[in-house]
Amino acid sequence: NAGVTQTPKFQVLKTGQSMTLQCAQDMNHEYMSWYRQDPGMGLRLIHYSVGAGITDQGEVPNGYNVSRSTTEDFPLRLLSAAPSQTSVYFCASKLSGPGNQPQHFGDGTRLSIL
Amino acid sequence: GNSVTQMEGPVTLSEEAFLTINCTYTATGYPSLFWYVQYPGEGLQLLLKATKADDKGSNKGFEATYRKETTSFHLEKGSVQVSDSAVYFCALSLLGAAGGGNKLTFGTGTQLKVEL
Repeated sequence: NAGVTQTPKFQVLKTGQSMTLQCAQDMNHEYMSWYRQDPGMGLRLIHYSVGAGITDQGEVPNGYNVSRSTTEDFPLRLLSAAPSQTSVYFCASKLSGPGNQPQHFGDGTRLSIL
Repeated sequence: GNSVTQMEGPVTLSEEAFLTINCTYTATGYPSLFWYVQYPGEGLQLLLKATKADDKGSNKGFEATYRKETTSFHLEKGSVQVSDSAVYFCALSLLGAAGGGNKLTFGTGTQLKVEL
């Protein structure tokens, strides 16, 4: 099983550039989400989706866009990269429904903005 | 709002020592509680969970008990190994919250280092 696949694993950008972080899952999970992980701050939710065509904002959505055209894919777009967006980004998915179902995480994308 | 507080790290232990990582939570309602583990260079993996008061989650020798009266979910292991070195995250989800109860609120993480 591939699980949750994130690409790229590493990326360096210049301030003002745009890019898309890819996330794909092969478990037919309805719920998908993006987190960023920063030292001393744990994981913070950026955006989430409860199914194809439905997205919503999390805790720290500014500077990021998402779309969900298929169940499998949930890309995260940085419109104009800023140094404050230097972070490790994790995509996660789970079966929708009761919150006690576990979330499955990808291995992360390490992003540096110069 | 909902929040999770974990003890600061890093925690450094010798192999076979007893481990406790404290976790307390604040939630408007009755959350499900989780411990996730992150090994170096990897994503998070579910370690254990508990969904109601007095439930005990356990896995790989780790245990945590859902204590409603103290709003706590402390992680314990009787004898740690070098291979347990990782970052441990306490988290909660709350049915009825936005996102259909799917959203996780994480603590800041506690790094564990186990030495020979």
